[in-house]
Amino acid sequence: GAGVSQSPSNKVTEKGKDVELRCDPISGHTALYWYRQSLGQGLEFLIYFQGNSAPDKSGLPSDRFSAERTGGSVSTLTIQRTQQEDSAVYLCASSQLAGGLGEQFFGPGTRLTVL
Amino acid sequence: AQSVTQLGSHVSVSEGALVLLRCNYSSSVPPYLFWYVQYPNQGLQLLLKYTSAATLVKGINGFEAEFKKSETSFHLTKPSAHMSDAAEYFCAVTAPYNNNDMRFGAGTRLTVKP
Repeated sequence: GAGVSQSPSNKVTEKGKDVELRCDPISGHTALYWYRQSLGQGLEFLIYFQGNSAPDKSGLPSDRFSAERTGGSVSTLTIQRTQQEDSAVYLCASSQLAGGLGEQFFGPGTRLTVL
Repeated sequence: AQSVTQLGSHVSVSEGALVLLRCNYSSSVPPYLFWYVQYPNQGLQLLLKYTSAATLVKGINGFEAEFKKSETSFHLTKPSAHMSDAAEYFCAVTAPYNNNDMRFGAGTRLTVKP
């Protein structure tokens, strides 16, 4: 079946603009994660959604970052008033809850460049 | 909460040499542990996982990892490195009761010299 998809694959924006990044998880996966991977850095956890529970936002670096997940499927990560330090690859992953062993399936990422 | 520490952000080996990438975990409950690999310009993919069955886990491309509770370690090894193994490797941990809360290490970049 189809894997996790993300759009756009690349986004170049000017400092101060808002951006929206989209993630389509694997159908039926109830858990969805956002990570940030900066150049030369590991994966930085941002936020995760699990079913209808309140999301775990503990990894969001500032109040400029927000995310929502509509209908338990598609998720959008929004960065307001972008800064140059926001430049990174933003990765989305999904996993099953029922009987899950924690394996996450990753999308190809969105490369964000803030000029 | 769980966490993992990967010792060494960069590891360089010669082709044919042993690969050893270190990962130590911290968890208040028996963990599930994972290794993911990210090849250049590609997404992350699962290499292998430990989920409380056999402590020696075999993965793709000849890699294996051994869960050692006494050392809180889950090091990744491969007997003989190949040029195609050059990639970034991430160790990750979850707790069985909440296995959708996965935490990743900072990653280790493996370079293979001819």
